[in-house]
Amino acid sequence: GQNIDQPTEMTATEGAIVQINCTYQTSGFNGLFWYQQHAGEAPTFLSYNVLDGLEEKGRFSSFLSRSKGYSYLLLKELQMKDSASYLCAVFDSNYQLIWGAGTKLIIKP
Amino acid sequence: DAMVIQNPRYQVTQFGKPVTLSCSQTLNHNVMYWYQQKSSQAPKLLFHYYDKDFNNEADTPDNFQSRRPNTSFCFLDIRSPGLGDAAMYLCATSRGGTGADTQYFGPGTRLTVL
Repeated sequence: GQNIDQPTEMTATEGAIVQINCTYQTSGFNGLFWYQQHAGEAPTFLSYNVLDGLEEKGRFSSFLSRSKGYSYLLLKELQMKDSASYLCAVFDSNYQLIWGAGTKLIIKP
Repeated sequence: DAMVIQNPRYQVTQFGKPVTLSCSQTLNHNVMYWYQQKSSQAPKLLFHYYDKDFNNEADTPDNFQSRRPNTSFCFLDIRSPGLGDAAMYLCATSRGGTGADTQYFGPGTRLTVL
């Protein structure tokens, strides 16, 4: 079966750095997305990786290793507004989007 | 601003009473999706339209139907809502070109079934 694993919940301190990991086992791979979802709201697009390496976009960076079936989202200079769930999603060989259950990130002052 | 709009944001219905959720988009995207998301779970794809072509997920219950009368609008009809259908319903769109396609979500409709 197809599977995406993320930690259920993480806690970090305002101003710090946090890394949210995602591992996947899918039938083929055509790219990996990270979405941010605030409580009671819709997911918003953060990043897309299809090649190995690090993509940096402001305070957020996303890394991919296709050989390891692994990605992480790195959030720097954490702000209280970064408290949200972060969802990892993978396009399989048929371009079906397989979603993880999300990692709830709690930021403490 | 181009966007995906869902109405209503909150919907309350009674057990067994049909309900319709609506989605519209100004992005002129070819593909529209309906997802069901329950608390702390991944979004679950119910179905999607590529233009007028309807694609139903194999495990989507018959209780859920959809209509796309034109490019801009898509509706989710729940014929006889049960208590287990209480969830957030997310509409998303994508351009629909070849290859990987970013999905853009509306704000969602939270459905409560009494």
